[in-house]
Amino acid sequence: AQTVTQSQPEMSVQEAETVTLSCTYDTSESDYYLFWYKQPPSRQMILVIRQEAYKQQNATENRFSVNFQKAAKSFSLKISDSQLGDAAMYFCAYRSTFYGGSQGNLIFGKGTKLSVKP
Amino acid sequence: SAVISQKPSRDICQRGTSLTIQCQVDSQVTMMFWYRQQPGQSLTLIATANQGSEATYESGFVIDKFPISRPNLTFSTLTVSNMSPEDSSIYLCSVQVQSETQYFGPGTRLLVL
Repeated sequence: AQTVTQSQPEMSVQEAETVTLSCTYDTSESDYYLFWYKQPPSRQMILVIRQEAYKQQNATENRFSVNFQKAAKSFSLKISDSQLGDAAMYFCAYRSTFYGGSQGNLIFGKGTKLSVKP
Repeated sequence: SAVISQKPSRDICQRGTSLTIQCQVDSQVTMMFWYRQQPGQSLTLIATANQGSEATYESGFVIDKFPISRPNLTFSTLTVSNMSPEDSSIYLCSVQVQSETQYFGPGTRLLVL
């Protein structure tokens, strides 16, 4: 079974600085998807960025980028020019490309709480 | 993407009662999911609800406790039956769109007394 590990329960960053959140995963599959979701205090889960495992190029969305290391099974999220609105829980998630039953569902890590200091 | 709404947004219920949570999507989707997020925890999948078939439940979740309906491609309900304080959680529905990405509703915060 696949697992997702976020080893940093909490992180803090100064406004306008850069922070990197770590995520590792375990799978025997060669093709899959990886995601970062953000959950602010409003509890809405918001997609931040996604990565297809077959793509070597790291995904980027504005101030958010990932460092995808497939061999190391690592998928870290870098937030540049941090803003107060970035404060939230961040969840790393894995999804198999296989369908059937619940195999298309997301497997989440335990999350990292990010605080942004003004 | 998809726009998803949930009703109610929050509720306080007495133990032994049942609550039905509604999930409405602004477009037709095949795959819908129901998750539970206990206080301070990550998300745990309850079941997958595909239109036209019975819901598929994850280990630890049973249909008698969490019956699900999926009458069409834009709507689903999750019922939390015979509630106890341990059922106090946030319940979220999500949908999977063609980009293989899941989008989430705003969640329903449930407190059972």
